[in-house]
Amino acid sequence: RKEVEQDPGPFNVPEGATVAFNCTYSNSASQSFFWYRQDCRKEPKLLMSVYSSGNEDGRFTAQLNRASQYISLLIRDSKLSDSATYLCVVNTGFGNEKLTFGTGTRLTIIP
Amino acid sequence: NAGVMQNPRHLVRRRGQEARLRCSPMKGHSHVYWYRQLPEEGLKFMVYLQKENIIDESGMPKERFSAEFPKEGPSILRIQQVVRGDSAAYFCASSPQNNYGYTFGSGTRLTVV
Repeated sequence: RKEVEQDPGPFNVPEGATVAFNCTYSNSASQSFFWYRQDCRKEPKLLMSVYSSGNEDGRFTAQLNRASQYISLLIRDSKLSDSATYLCVVNTGFGNEKLTFGTGTRLTIIP
Repeated sequence: NAGVMQNPRHLVRRRGQEARLRCSPMKGHSHVYWYRQLPEEGLKFMVYLQKENIIDESGMPKERFSAEFPKEGPSILRIQQVVRGDSAAYFCASSPQNNYGYTFGSGTRLTVV
């Protein structure tokens, strides 16, 4: 089993729709969780951290379920500029070198 | 304040040649991390360095790969005798502390022909 698993997609979603991505992780000792965004042939960029209580940043909402070892990202009112690959990232320790990246879910917003 | 600078952006090498990838961290950052991203795969941790020290190289292939972060100058990822399977995007990230968020450079895309 992969340490971090994501549905690779692609997700093709009309503009304005709501889309949800899921991610599962295998290491129950994982300490912190993130969603990164990676545009085609570019570097990953931090989108948001994920907290147990859930957190929201504008149109983006992230949720964490430690019992099920499951992370989600919800994008509301999707924009064309949201087209990218979304990476689920889990830290199994306390240092940056312990970050494990999922293979990503590719999202395309259709006009 | 310039971000993490990687060069070259694109590098083409013939099988058997050496590849040198450079990474200059953000100003004030002394922690550097190298990752490799193979086509259709996630980023894989390779090595974590501080100035003049390799802290964790658990993700580095045992042969042909080496990394350094000298007291002066950029961090270097060196791949000797490249093979086609080394073709990938290599990203560097830097941070001011190890448990602090980090910033990626724009990567070097290595193509071995």
